[in-house]
Amino acid sequence: EVQLLESGGGLEQPGGSLRLSCAASGFIFSSYAMSWVRQAPGKGLEWVSYIIGSGDDTYYADSVKGRFTISRDNSKNTLYLLMNGLRAEDTAVYYCAKRSTWGGGTFDYWGQGTLVTVSS
Amino acid sequence: EIVLAQSPGTLSLSPGERVTLSCRASQSVNNNYLAWYQQKPGQAPRLLIYGASSRATGIPDRFSGSGSGTDFTLTISRLEPEDFAVYYCQQYAYSPLTFGGGTKVEIK
Repeated sequence: EVQLLESGGGLEQPGGSLRLSCAASGFIFSSYAMSWVRQAPGKGLEWVSYIIGSGDDTYYADSVKGRFTISRDNSKNTLYLLMNGLRAEDTAVYYCAKRSTWGGGTFDYWGQGTLVTVSS
Repeated sequence: EIVLAQSPGTLSLSPGERVTLSCRASQSVNNNYLAWYQQKPGQAPRLLIYGASSRATGIPDRFSGSGSGTDFTLTISRLEPEDFAVYYCQQYAYSPLTFGGGTKVEIK
């Protein structure tokens, strides 16, 4: 059974940093691209970042480029999102998501999400 | 960036009714790389449809997707109580991946 478990969310001040983790199990982690998608309170979904299976290529939304870094440790089956320079508008539930088995940029499994709140 | 406009914003319906949700893209979505997700309160999104019309694993056949180019539709043939949720479309033809603003299907 595929499982994705996020952790690392919490309350942080503007300008601060947080590192989110997503522990994966139930599939060959290194074979799948992974992504972070966020959802501000009461709002829709926003794609944040994407990393291919090997970790060699990464992609970012313009809203986080230069501030957030996605990475993965395939030996630990874990995905990360390092968030620097946090802003109030980064407040959201952050989901990690697995690229679908049939490919493309769709996501067939999602974690339960971790809440990041940026406030002074 | 491709902008996806979903309509209507909210639909109030009764169980058993047929539902049609719309997703319109600001430019043509190559290869019909358009997906639909369902999200219930407090839960993560669930993939329903990919490639505009292919059902994801385990999705009931009352859910169907259609469309091409810039206009796409998700149809629920007969609403079940568990189908009341928010539905999002997503394009994956171009980076950045983008989602529509969602359509809420609520109980009338």
